[in-house]
Amino acid sequence: DTGVSQNPRHKITKRGQNVTFRCDPISEHNRLYWYRQTLGQGPEFLTYFQNEAQLEKSRLLSDRFSAERPKGSFSTLEIQRTEQGDSAMYLCASSSGQVTVNEQYFGPGTRLTVT
Amino acid sequence: GDSVTQMEGPVTLSEEAFLTINCTYTATGYPSLFWYVQYPGEGLQLLLKATKADDKGSNKGFEATYRKETTSFHLEKGSVQVSDSAVYFCAPPRGGNNRKLIWGLGTSLAVNP
Repeated sequence: DTGVSQNPRHKITKRGQNVTFRCDPISEHNRLYWYRQTLGQGPEFLTYFQNEAQLEKSRLLSDRFSAERPKGSFSTLEIQRTEQGDSAMYLCASSSGQVTVNEQYFGPGTRLTVT
Repeated sequence: GDSVTQMEGPVTLSEEAFLTINCTYTATGYPSLFWYVQYPGEGLQLLLKATKADDKGSNKGFEATYRKETTSFHLEKGSVQVSDSAVYFCAPPRGGNNRKLIWGLGTSLAVNP
């Protein structure tokens, strides 16, 4: 079990550029979550997949954000036309289970800085 | 709606002191409860969990008991170490389909030698 991995670990981009992050969950986990975390705050839910289906998306997520999990394995999170307010740590987590929530395992995160 | 209330930090203790971080929640039903820890510069790690009322989760000297009657899941440790300095998050699942975890602000703990 190699755990949840995220790439890249750090990304610096200029305002207005597009960025894409990747998350590889624990292989047998069917659920995958994306969160955003800013300094001094807890994780803020962005979206959630069960297998390849995106079951929920936060209303806080603007149309500039999109996430995919095409084969129910790895996932990508894309941010279009980045803004300075998008600067944050983007966390991915995975878990197993069908009905009730089980513990989530987190990756190390991708730190985005928009200049 | 479902929510979690966690003791505000920062908490500063001396090594070997007793630690309590309070957490209360509102949720539909009696879901599993979790404590996570985030060490400086790292991602979140599951610290312990309790899956039903009166369960006690424990790990690395930390304990938390699922109290249904007070809807609480307070984190305790009898003797903290400098290496316990981190941010601690109480995360009860949302009610209903219980698919998401509710995250509070976390409690920052600093342990001085």
